Amino acid sequence: EVQLLESGGGLLQPGGSLRLSCAASGFTFSSYAMNWVRQAPGKGLEWVSGITDNDGVTDYADSVKGRFTISRDNSKNTLYLQMNSLRAEDTAIYYCAQGVYGSGWPNWGQGTLVTVSS
Amino acid sequence: EIVLTQSPGTLSLSPGERATLSCRASQSVSGNYLAWYHQKPGQAPRLLIHGASSRATGIPDRFSGSGSGTDFTLTISRLEPEDFAVYYCQQYGSSPYTFGQGTKLEIK
Repeated sequence: EVQLLESGGGLLQPGGSLRLSCAASGFTFSSYAMNWVRQAPGKGLEWVSGITDNDGVTDYADSVKGRFTISRDNSKNTLYLQMNSLRAEDTAIYYCAQGVYGSGWPNWGQGTLVTVSS
Repeated sequence: EIVLTQSPGTLSLSPGERATLSCRASQSVSGNYLAWYHQKPGQAPRLLIHGASSRATGIPDRFSGSGSGTDFTLTISRLEPEDFAVYYCQQYGSSPYTFGQGTKLEIK
């Protein structure tokens, strides 16, 4: 069974930094692209960042480019999101999602809440 | 960036009825890489349809997707109580991978 478990969320002040983790199990992690998607309270879904499988090519939404860094450690089956210069508008539940080429994103974690507030 | 516009914003129907949800893209979706998800309160989104018309694993056949290019539709043939949720379309053919704003399917 595929499982994705996010961790690392919390409450922090504007300008702060945080690193989210997503621990994967039940599939060959290194063979799949991975993504971070966020959802602000009461709002819709927003893609944040993605990373390809083995070569680790990264991509970002304009709203986080230059502030967030996605990475992966295939030896630990873990996806990361380093978030710097956080703003109030980054407050959201952050989900990691497995990408299957041509077949959408079938597996998602339960999310971790990040709250940026003074 | 491809903007996805979903309609209606809210759809009020009764169990057993047919639901038709629309997703219109601002430009053609590459490869018809269009997915549908639903999301219940406090839960992560669940993939229903990928590639515009292919059901994801474990999704009942009352869910069907159609369309190509810029116009896509999700149809639920006979609503079950568990189908009432928020539905999102997503294009994953070209970055940035965008979502529609959602359609809330509520019990009438």
